Amino acid sequence: GEDVEQSLFLSVREGDSSVINCTYTDSSSTYLYWYKQEPGAGLQLLTYIFSNMDMKQDQRLTVLLNKKDKHLSLRIADTQTGDSAIYFCAASETSYDKVIFGPGTSLSVIP
Amino acid sequence: GAVVSQHPSRVICKSGTSVKIECRSLDFQATTMFWYRQFPKQSLMLMATSNEGSKATYEQGVEKDKFLINHASLTLSTLTVTSAHPEDSSFYICSARKGLGTDTQYFGPGTRLTVL
Repeated sequence: GEDVEQSLFLSVREGDSSVINCTYTDSSSTYLYWYKQEPGAGLQLLTYIFSNMDMKQDQRLTVLLNKKDKHLSLRIADTQTGDSAIYFCAASETSYDKVIFGPGTSLSVIP
Repeated sequence: GAVVSQHPSRVICKSGTSVKIECRSLDFQATTMFWYRQFPKQSLMLMATSNEGSKATYEQGVEKDKFLINHASLTLSTLTVTSAHPEDSSFYICSARKGLGTDTQYFGPGTRLTVL
């Protein structure tokens, strides 16, 4: 089955860019997601990318996908203190299949 | 929009009691809902997939008699934790899918269950 891995912690200074990396194992995964979870809250979908895309940009967020290496990254430009949260990488084979989550990366933004 | 609510947001119960958690899709009909469990500082683990009008499909290792799931309508799924024990304490999150072929699932805000 699918296995999604992420680094667990990342610390950046306010105003810098953050890059959160993720790897997955199942080449059948077609949908790749980034979710944000603030303390004590549910998940908020930030963005997603289809496996036939290399890059997707949405305001301060840039997702890069290297399908050959099964590597996904999320870049947050001009990181703000409000970006401090846990970021989950996730993958699914189809839009209606179950979603497999990575362990989450805890992003700390230093003022 | 696509809003999913959960009720209650937080519940504390005594060991041995049963607790029901509701998941509602507020502005769309959800043919499928998913129930996840999240341990502190850990990822979400899928517990079961719930389709309206049929029995839920449980993931390996999840006791179906312990975690009863009912998806009686296109906007409501319930998870009942029966005879709860302290090890059932966790953050339970539901998500709802907006029909086939749509982009993603929409997550509820979660329910914090504490069993004393």
